[in-house]
Amino acid sequence: EIVMTQSPATLSVSPGERVTLSCRASQSVSFNLAWYQQKPGQAPRLLIYGASTRATGIPARFSGSGSGTEFTLTISSLQSEDFAVYYCQQYNNWPPYTFGQGTKLEIK
Amino acid sequence: EVQLVESGGGLVQPGGSLRLSCAASGFTFSSYWMSWVRQARGKGLEWVANIKQDESEKYYVDSVKGRFTISRDNAKNSLYLQMNSLRAEDTAVYYCVRGQNGGRYPGDIYFDYWGQGTLVTVSS
Repeated sequence: EIVMTQSPATLSVSPGERVTLSCRASQSVSFNLAWYQQKPGQAPRLLIYGASTRATGIPARFSGSGSGTEFTLTISSLQSEDFAVYYCQQYNNWPPYTFGQGTKLEIK
Repeated sequence: EVQLVESGGGLVQPGGSLRLSCAASGFTFSSYWMSWVRQARGKGLEWVANIKQDESEKYYVDSVKGRFTISRDNAKNSLYLQMNSLRAEDTAVYYCVRGQNGGRYPGDIYFDYWGQGTLVTVSS
């Protein structure tokens, strides 16, 4: 089973700041990596797939990069609506499909 | 508009059974892998099971193998999860999720649409 590790667990940031979230896989997942955003009381929403392709309707301030075992999600200028929990997920070696434990973005 | 609407959650005693349903609309249901993903309160996401378009392939996380069964009815645009021998650790919100192929193999899927979830509580 591939273990996905996200860091940090919590990030306190101010609106307007640039933020980078990290996701590491225990073995290579090639480019088969997705990112999701989840707000309290809501279902997760797909942000990025293929490590760097934005899903439909996702603002350009969200970008993904990386391959193999190291991935990042960058939000170029945080908006108030971006404060949420972010998860990465690998779909290269399955079953199981595995998620990271999440990074919570909170307002500083 | 893609819609996934789960139903069937509730309170059940340990050892009991429950059947979750998911009604899909707004897309050609028979063309997609479908999955169940769960989330315990305050915890992260855990993939539970998925099923190929024609039901020829089904996969499960180890913790539910032999207890849960995923199925689908393409004529009714519906996905199901039969849960038997339920345990306290199965308590979670269960999401019905559409799989979108993103890799070399058909099962290389990420999850592009999610339902709102249905809560399953296993407690005496």
